Amino acid sequence: AQKVTQAQTEISVVEKEDVTLDCVYETRDTTYYLFWYKQPPSGELVFLIRRNSFDEQNEISGRYSWNFQKSTSSFNFTITASQVVDSAVYFCALSEVAWGGGADGLTFGKGTHLIIQP
Amino acid sequence: NAGVTQTPKFQVLKTGQSMTLQCAQDMNHNSMYWYRQDPGMGLRLIYYSASEGTTDKGEVPNGYNVSRLNKREFSLRLESAAPSQTSVYFCASSNLRASGDQPQHFGDGTRLSIL
Repeated sequence: AQKVTQAQTEISVVEKEDVTLDCVYETRDTTYYLFWYKQPPSGELVFLIRRNSFDEQNEISGRYSWNFQKSTSSFNFTITASQVVDSAVYFCALSEVAWGGGADGLTFGKGTHLIIQP
Repeated sequence: NAGVTQTPKFQVLKTGQSMTLQCAQDMNHNSMYWYRQDPGMGLRLIYYSASEGTTDKGEVPNGYNVSRLNKREFSLRLESAAPSQTSVYFCASSNLRASGDQPQHFGDGTRLSIL
């Protein structure tokens, strides 16, 4: 069975610090997809990034970057020069390929509550 | 763009009451999902519908039923609400291909309290 572990329940940093959110996953499939979602205090879920298991290139989007390492089954998320607006709960999620055409949905980690203090 | 619309946004029920949570998407997506979010638990899949006319159980289906009314709408029903079903419920949709690589788009959630 697939599993996503976000060991950091809560992280608190001061604004402008860099912060890395860890995500470790388990799957028996060789083809799978990893996602990060942001849930701000208002409660909605915002899609941030998707990565497939064949693409280990790191990705950078502004202050956000993601490091995918299959060797350690990790998909970590770094925010550079954090801002108060980055305060949110961040979820890592995994999707396996459904060759039968169905969809199993996403398996989510329990989330990391990130607090950016001014 | 409305995206995924959930109604109601808030609801309080008494134990044993029934209710249906509604979800509609206007993105012409094939697949729709219901999740529940509990404190410290992340989101867990209740039911999903890979395409119109099909539904399947997820991780935590007990106590729930679903209906894929048409391509746009996917409802979640609690037949006899229990306090353990107090949660925030999210509906999501995606444009499924067999690859499963499409991001899911979420509604704003329904906060449900069972007294």
